Amino acid sequence: GAVVSQHPSRVICKSGTSVKIECRSLDFQATTMFWYRQFPKQSLMLMATSNEGSKATYEQGVEKDKFLINHASLTLSTLTVTSAHPEDSSFYICSDNTQYFGPGTRLTVL
Amino acid sequence: SQKIEQNSEALNIQEGKTATLTCNYTNYSPAYLQWYRQDPGRGPVFLLLIRENEKEKRKERLKVTFDTTLKQSLFHITASQPADSATYLCALEDQAGTALIFGKGTTLSVSS
Repeated sequence: GAVVSQHPSRVICKSGTSVKIECRSLDFQATTMFWYRQFPKQSLMLMATSNEGSKATYEQGVEKDKFLINHASLTLSTLTVTSAHPEDSSFYICSDNTQYFGPGTRLTVL
Repeated sequence: SQKIEQNSEALNIQEGKTATLTCNYTNYSPAYLQWYRQDPGRGPVFLLLIRENEKEKRKERLKVTFDTTLKQSLFHITASQPADSATYLCALEDQAGTALIFGKGTTLSVSS
């Protein structure tokens, strides 16, 4: 079946810096990929839908200028958290529009 | 808007027993409903999908039911093992039919 990878699995950064997270669909050409965020003991919340070759669609309350999404190819979508703050610390997970999710990226902003 | 309630945050059972987890939704009936397993610090792993016209689905020790009248899905693990200990998430498609909406999950602990 399809496999989704994410890199890095874990990142710690200073407040104000930017962090890029990569999501790769290894077996499936994904024209659409999804980015979710999960806070401790909470459900996965959809942040945005990444569309290959066009702009991402963001959920209400998610700042598009803060969470930059690029989906330049059918197998790669990236999420960049710009000017990260401690409240951005969370578990970020991507999905390749099937039933498969990446292993997640734990972001900690100091 | 659609809400999903997994009304047990935690469930503790003994090895060998059957675990039953509940998922209720509040609004429109989805075309399908999915169950995932999530281990600490990991992404969700797909387990089963059940469609609205299917009342029951099985996979090895797992069984899922879907009752659109009650707006409820039940997830059963028979002959549970300590290795089944994890958080189980219920998910269904959003109204646009694109992304998934997740419940908060039920953390199952199976003791030996």
